[in-house]
Amino acid sequence: DQQVKQNSPSLSVQEGRISILNCDYTNSMFDYFLWYKKYPAEGPTFLISISSIKDKNEDGRFTVFLNKSAKHLSLHIVPSQPGDSAVYFCAASDVQGAQKLVFGQGTRLTINP
Amino acid sequence: EAGVVQSPRYKIIEKKQPVAFWCNPISGHNTLYWYLQNLGQGPELLIRYENEEAVDDSQLPKDRFSAERLKGVDSTLKIQPAELGDSAVYLCASSLGAVTGELFFGEGSRLTVL
Repeated sequence: DQQVKQNSPSLSVQEGRISILNCDYTNSMFDYFLWYKKYPAEGPTFLISISSIKDKNEDGRFTVFLNKSAKHLSLHIVPSQPGDSAVYFCAASDVQGAQKLVFGQGTRLTINP
Repeated sequence: EAGVVQSPRYKIIEKKQPVAFWCNPISGHNTLYWYLQNLGQGPELLIRYENEEAVDDSQLPKDRFSAERLKGVDSTLKIQPAELGDSAVYLCASSLGAVTGELFFGEGSRLTVL
């Protein structure tokens, strides 16, 4: 039972353009969402989060949008840079914080020069 | 500031052998997590510690897996005996508290069971 789904295993984007990574969830109790970024042979690193009381959170080039009615969130990266090439994981929790994060399968983003 | 340190980075063993992974969290982080990451999947929580207490071990297969965090700092995850399906990356993470949301992960220990 995959409660957090990232249906695109991979995404390729031209440098300078917008990258949009999508995530769907099924558990309506989830109210805190995070994105993590992972380079090869490294552990995931926290990127950005959003709580269910908001529908948008922005941090520099990264913006996360949350659509609670559709149980969908997305991460926008503008403009995309080669260093953004990594695997991105969406994660969700039913309480504020990281007590029990449920991760998606990940999307491998490749930024082409 | 040092990050989360894990060892060994890589381990190859034969099935039915025991194996242990060690984790040293970021100094001052009371909450420690062990995650399992299978190939092509996201991390899955095995166990969460608040100081030395295991507050969530519902996902830990207790017939063969065990973990400890004796002094509320370092932690060890053990598998005995290992099975072929245990081949995966074992990630340790820590946070200031479970409510912060931001986990700091180590580089992981990649286990291959032959």
